[in-house]
Amino acid sequence: GESVGLHLPTLSVQEGDNSIINCAYSNSASDYFIWYKQESGKGPQFIIDIRSNMDKRQGQRVTVLLNKTVKHLSLQIAATQPGDSAVYFCAERGDSNDYKLSFGAGTTVTVRA
Amino acid sequence: DAGVTQSPTHLIKTRGQQVTLRCSPISGHKSVSWYQQVLGQGPQFIFQYYEKEERGRGNFPDRFSARQFPNYSSELNVNALLLGDSALYLCASSLLGTAYEQYFGPGTRLTVT
Repeated sequence: GESVGLHLPTLSVQEGDNSIINCAYSNSASDYFIWYKQESGKGPQFIIDIRSNMDKRQGQRVTVLLNKTVKHLSLQIAATQPGDSAVYFCAERGDSNDYKLSFGAGTTVTVRA
Repeated sequence: DAGVTQSPTHLIKTRGQQVTLRCSPISGHKSVSWYQQVLGQGPQFIFQYYEKEERGRGNFPDRFSARQFPNYSSELNVNALLLGDSALYLCASSLLGTAYEQYFGPGTRLTVT
C-alpha cells in the first residue's frame, strides 16, 4: 500500500545550526502534506503544511520543500534550539477528498548544547 | 481558544474489558478523527466523523467503534481489549471533512494488562 516514510530515524544537531529532516512518500496522487512535531508525552503539534501545487513554503524558522518529481518532502529548521528536540512526522493526504492522514515513522531530533 | 481536549489522560484496563475515550474538538470544528499511536511509530488512522456521520474507517477490527455528538464531541469505544491495544489514542479536529489542517489533542494513554 501507499506509505509515507522518513529517511533517517534520528538526527543530532548542534544548537544554533540548521536542521534538515527528510521524508519520502510513495503516493504520487497525494495533494497535501503536513509536518508535525511531537514532544514526549504529548500529541502531535502542527508545524507547517504545503499543497502539492507549491514547491516551498516558509513559516517562522521553518521551511518545507516539496519535490514532486522524486516524491520527497523536507523540513528545514533554522537556528535549531533545545526546544526543537522532539520527534518529527510528515503526513500526507491521498487527494482532496481524502479524510485521513498517513504518517511515517518519525525522525527523532536531538539538539546538542 | 482552547485546543482539542481529550479525557482521560491515562487509563489502565485489563484484557477483555471495554473502554471509552472522549474528545472535544476546537470550537467551530465539525470533524473529529481518531488515530492510534503505538510506541515508536507514527499515528494510524482509525475513524473520521464529520457532521455526526462516519466518513471513513481505517484497518481496525469491529471491536473499535466511535460516534460524534450534536456538539461535535466524540467518543471512541474499544471492546474486548487485547494487550496489543495498548497505545496512545489521539483525537484530531478539523474544520471540514477532509484531512486538511488537522489539529491533535494530547492523547489518552491506554495500557492493557
